[in-house]
Amino acid sequence: KAGVTQTPRYLIKTRGQQVTLSCSPISGHRSVSWYQQTPGQGLQFLFEYFSETQRNKGNFPGRFSGRQFSNSRSEMNVSTLELGDSALYLCASSSPRGTDTQYFGPGTRLTVL
Amino acid sequence: DQQVKQNSPSLSVQEGRISILNCDYTNSMFDYFLWYKKYPAEGPTFLISISSIKDKNEDGRFTVFLNKSAKHLSLHIVPSQPGDSAVYFCAASDSGGGADGLTFGKGTHLIIQP
Repeated sequence: KAGVTQTPRYLIKTRGQQVTLSCSPISGHRSVSWYQQTPGQGLQFLFEYFSETQRNKGNFPGRFSGRQFSNSRSEMNVSTLELGDSALYLCASSSPRGTDTQYFGPGTRLTVL
Repeated sequence: DQQVKQNSPSLSVQEGRISILNCDYTNSMFDYFLWYKKYPAEGPTFLISISSIKDKNEDGRFTVFLNKSAKHLSLHIVPSQPGDSAVYFCAASDSGGGADGLTFGKGTHLIIQP
């Protein structure tokens, strides 16, 4: 079974721009979560989507948004980029059948200049 | 307030010996705990998990112990191998079994010395 895939793997943007990241979950997984990893804050939960609906949201500003499509693929969007948004963005998928085990993709490294 | 704490940023262990990584949590609502291993520039890889109804779970060289009264869990790796050198993250969930956001510790960098 193919794992979680994320595109692109690397991205360089400038302040004020916006960016869209993509995630394809493991086949059959309907829940997709997004995390931000920075050296100072570690791994922090952004939001989680299930059946095209946002079910949970972490403590991030409204500039961070996402969506999920009917095939469970998900996108994350960050508008008006700030230098502090430079991070590794990780997507994880999980099966809806009862456990919290989330399987992560390789991440997208976003650099904001 | 950090709800999941890994107080050792790094740990050095000789190859073949036991590695013990520790994790403390403050939220008594957490009911599912996981350990992930991460190499630089890669996503975390799931290692092992434990539900709050158990106090031990074993998978090959990896064993996780949970002490609910102390709000403490640990990951034991026996014997330690060079490929175990990575950053290990402890994570916790309070969703009672459904998919939810995980709360992560800041990680412990395990270095296996030959």
